[in-house]
Amino acid sequence: AQKITQTQPGMFVQEKEAVTLDCTYDTSDPSYGLFWYKQPSSGEMIFLIYQGSYDQQNATEGRYSLNFQKARKSANLVISASQLGDSAMYFCAMREFNTGNQFYFGTGTSLTVIP
Amino acid sequence: NAGVTQTPKFQVLKTGQSMTLQCAQDMNHEYMSWYRQDPGMGLRLIHYSVGAGITDQGEVPNGYNVSRSTTEDFPLRLLSAAPSQTSVYFCASSSPDRGTEAFFGQGTRLTVV
Repeated sequence: AQKITQTQPGMFVQEKEAVTLDCTYDTSDPSYGLFWYKQPSSGEMIFLIYQGSYDQQNATEGRYSLNFQKARKSANLVISASQLGDSAMYFCAMREFNTGNQFYFGTGTSLTVIP
Repeated sequence: NAGVTQTPKFQVLKTGQSMTLQCAQDMNHEYMSWYRQDPGMGLRLIHYSVGAGITDQGEVPNGYNVSRSTTEDFPLRLLSAAPSQTSVYFCASSSPDRGTEAFFGQGTRLTVV
């Protein structure tokens, strides 16, 4: 079974609008972390935001926020006020702290910001 | 601020050739991993290490070998390259601490012809 599922292969958003990228996960480990990475066309992997399974508040980092719904096992990334530079591939990842402690990635969502 | 350094950045191999992708990190991270990235498949874990002398298989280990003789280095060996190993390879390192992210190298684009 897939540990991380990203069901949106491609998304488009108008500049200055908000966009939500979906991520669902599957784990039986009660202690885990969820991460989002950005991969621009240049290829590097850029860490964006982290949410721990025991965190009570949704994580925020500047224009990025993570909509964490534990019961639904979802960890959607919200990008507010989209910019042209946000056009990239976005990956959701999970780390199970009691089970190997490795990172598992989804298949990614390609985001295009339209001027 | 070197972080995670991968070499080479690009490589073309003929089927059956062997090669080693190099990965080094200067953050004293215990954990190191190798991933391959293929279109539509995301990043898949090949092998990982939780410390010097300790390695284990990930999701797609066949055709690859690793070793970890030092904390800093984690080379990935392709023993007999196949066209199915054409991919972009990423090395990553992290500490075992909760909440810490993985740090990635710049990637190696490998083509097997």
